[in-house]
Amino acid sequence: KQEVTQIPAALSVPEGENLVLNCSFTDSAIYNLQWFRQDPGKGLTSLLLIQSSQREQTSGRLNASLDKSSGRSTLYIAASQPGDSATYLCAVTRHSGYALNFGKGTSLLVTP
Amino acid sequence: NAGVTQTPKFRVLKTGQSMTLLCAQDMNHEYMYWYRQDPGMGLRLIHYSVGEGTTAKGEVPDGYNVSRLKKQNFLLGLESAAPSQTSVYFCASSSGGAGAHEQYFGPGTRLTVT
Repeated sequence: KQEVTQIPAALSVPEGENLVLNCSFTDSAIYNLQWFRQDPGKGLTSLLLIQSSQREQTSGRLNASLDKSSGRSTLYIAASQPGDSATYLCAVTRHSGYALNFGKGTSLLVTP
Repeated sequence: NAGVTQTPKFRVLKTGQSMTLLCAQDMNHEYMYWYRQDPGMGLRLIHYSVGEGTTAKGEVPDGYNVSRLKKQNFLLGLESAAPSQTSVYFCASSSGGAGAHEQYFGPGTRLTVT
């Protein structure tokens, strides 16, 4: 069974810092990996999707990398802002399935 | 373009009562999904549908039924609610299978079963 782990569970940084969130998965036979953002009491917003054949994706201040062979992905946030405060979830899709397997998330707080 | 919407936003049920959660999407997506989110457990797939008239079981289907009579709607039913079904329920949709396409999520329904 695919297990997705996110470290750290919570992170607090001052505004302006660059930061890295980590995601690891146990089964490297994935189709893709997605990073989501979830604000308190809200749904999930897709940030980046990396296909298994890709190494990284970028969107604005966000950069996600994927190392399928080692079962790892990182989400890099540059020049963090208080508005980045949210829970960040990573999820992988198995080759044979339709569903996303989610990690439990990293709760990020960016302080002014 | 509303994206994915869910009705209701909040609901309190007594044990044994039944209810239906409605999910609607206006993106003409083929695939729709129901997840539940519990503290310390992450999101888990309950049921999904790969097109109008089709449904399939996910990771935690017991106690739930679904129907996809129209392409834009995906209904999640609880026939006899139990306290273990207290959770936040999210609906999602995608234009293709989860492997190839992004999933778009609704705002969630917070259900409490007493």
